[in-house]
Amino acid sequence: EIVLTQSPATLSLSPGERATLSCRASQSVSSYLAWYQQKPGQAPRLLIYDASNRATGIPARFSGSGSGTDFTLTISSLEPEDFAVYYCQQRSNWPPMWTFGQGTKVEIK
Amino acid sequence: QVQLVQSGAEVKKPGSSVKVSCKASGDTFSSYDLNWVRQAPGQGLEWMGGIIPIFRTADYSQKFQGRVTISADESTSTAYMELRSLRSEDTAVYYCARGPPGNSAYLDYWGQGTLVTVSS
Repeated sequence: EIVLTQSPATLSLSPGERATLSCRASQSVSSYLAWYQQKPGQAPRLLIYDASNRATGIPARFSGSGSGTDFTLTISSLEPEDFAVYYCQQRSNWPPMWTFGQGTKVEIK
Repeated sequence: QVQLVQSGAEVKKPGSSVKVSCKASGDTFSSYDLNWVRQAPGQGLEWMGGIIPIFRTADYSQKFQGRVTISADESTSTAYMELRSLRSEDTAVYYCARGPPGNSAYLDYWGQGTLVTVSS
C-alpha cells in the first residue's frame, strides 16, 4: 500500500506570500498525483491532476510539480480565499485503492 | 456540467445500517468511476471504495471489506453506498466523487456530502 506523507502539517503565512506544500509517496506513483483544496463545511475541490495540470477554472497562481515520489503544490501569491486545507491523492491499480495524504492546513499568520 | 446530489443527513443506532445515495447528472453515468470517500469530524479524507457502473463490480478498501456495499443503478444514474454494523467511529461526512472515464487517477466532481451520525 502506498502511503502519502504531507509536510508541513500547518503553514502560517500572510496574504501575498508564496506557499510551498510537499507530498511524498512511499513508492513511485509516476505522475499520477492530484491535489485538492477543502474549506470548512465544503467538499474537496480538485486543483491539480496528473501532478502538474490545473483543473478547469483553477487560477494560475496554483501550480503543481514533481514525479515519482516527491511532489509540490505552490501557491505563488496567497489570496484571502486560499486559506484552507490541502490534500494530495494517488490511485493504485493493484490492489485497487485511492490514498490521500493527511493534509496541510494553510492558515493566516 | 456534471452534478452529484447526495441524500440527506442520517442518524443511526450502533449496529444498524445506513444507505446513502448519489444521483448524477450531466454526463454519461455508465462510464464514471464513482467513488465514496468519508471524513470523520476534524479528520482527513478516507477512500472507502468505488464502482464503474458499466462494469457492475466494485472495489473496496480492505478496511471496509465485508461491511460496505457499493452499487449503481444505471436507469436512474444513481450510486449507493451501504455501510453495515455501524459504530460510533463511523460518524462522518460521506462524499461521492467522480473519476472521469478512462482509468483516471483523480476525482473531478464531488457531491455535497452526507452527514451520518451514529449514536445510541
